[in-house]
Amino acid sequence: EVQLVESGGGLVQPGGSLRLSCAASGFTFSSYSMNWVRQAPGKGLEWVSYISSSSSTIYYADSVKGRFTISRDNAKNSLYLQMNSLRAEDTAVYYCARDQELGYCSGGSCYGAHDYWGQGTLVTVSS
Amino acid sequence: DIQMTQSPSTLSASVGDRVTITCRASQSISSWLAWYQQKPGKAPKLLIYKASSLESGVPSRFSGSGSGTEFTLTISSLQPDDFATYYCQQYNTWTFGQGTKVEIK
Repeated sequence: EVQLVESGGGLVQPGGSLRLSCAASGFTFSSYSMNWVRQAPGKGLEWVSYISSSSSTIYYADSVKGRFTISRDNAKNSLYLQMNSLRAEDTAVYYCARDQELGYCSGGSCYGAHDYWGQGTLVTVSS
Repeated sequence: DIQMTQSPSTLSASVGDRVTITCRASQSISSWLAWYQQKPGKAPKLLIYKASSLESGVPSRFSGSGSGTEFTLTISSLQPDDFATYYCQQYNTWTFGQGTKVEIK
């Protein structure tokens, strides 16, 4: 059974840092591209970041570029999101999500719809 | 950036109704469009991928159509379990629509 379990959320002051983790199981983690998606309280979904299976391709939403860093450790079946210079508007539930295999590939990286999601971890940025 | 515009924002319907939600892209995304269902306090669930392909395990009353810039999600006969918020997402650059909340009429 595919499982994605996020951890690392919590309360942090503006300007602070936090590192989120996503532990994957039930599939060959190293074969799949992964993403972080967030949802502010009462708001819609916002894609945050993408990382290809080999970490060769990484993308960020403009809203987090230069402040957040996505990474993965395929030996540990884990995905990470390092969040620095946090702002009140970063307050959200953060989900990790797997890209399905049935997408398209370009430049050696593959992209698909998000077929499995974790339960989410809440990040609150407030003084 | 590719913008995704969903309509309506809210939809009131009854059990058994046929429901259609529209998603428009600001530029062509071919068929790289997904639809998700989300219930309060839960993670989104993939329903449709590549505009019209039904994800495994999703009831056949859900269907998707379209290509280029215009897409629709149709629920052929609304069931009690279907009252939720629905999002489209283009996965060229991953933008989501703003969501459509399907409420009980």
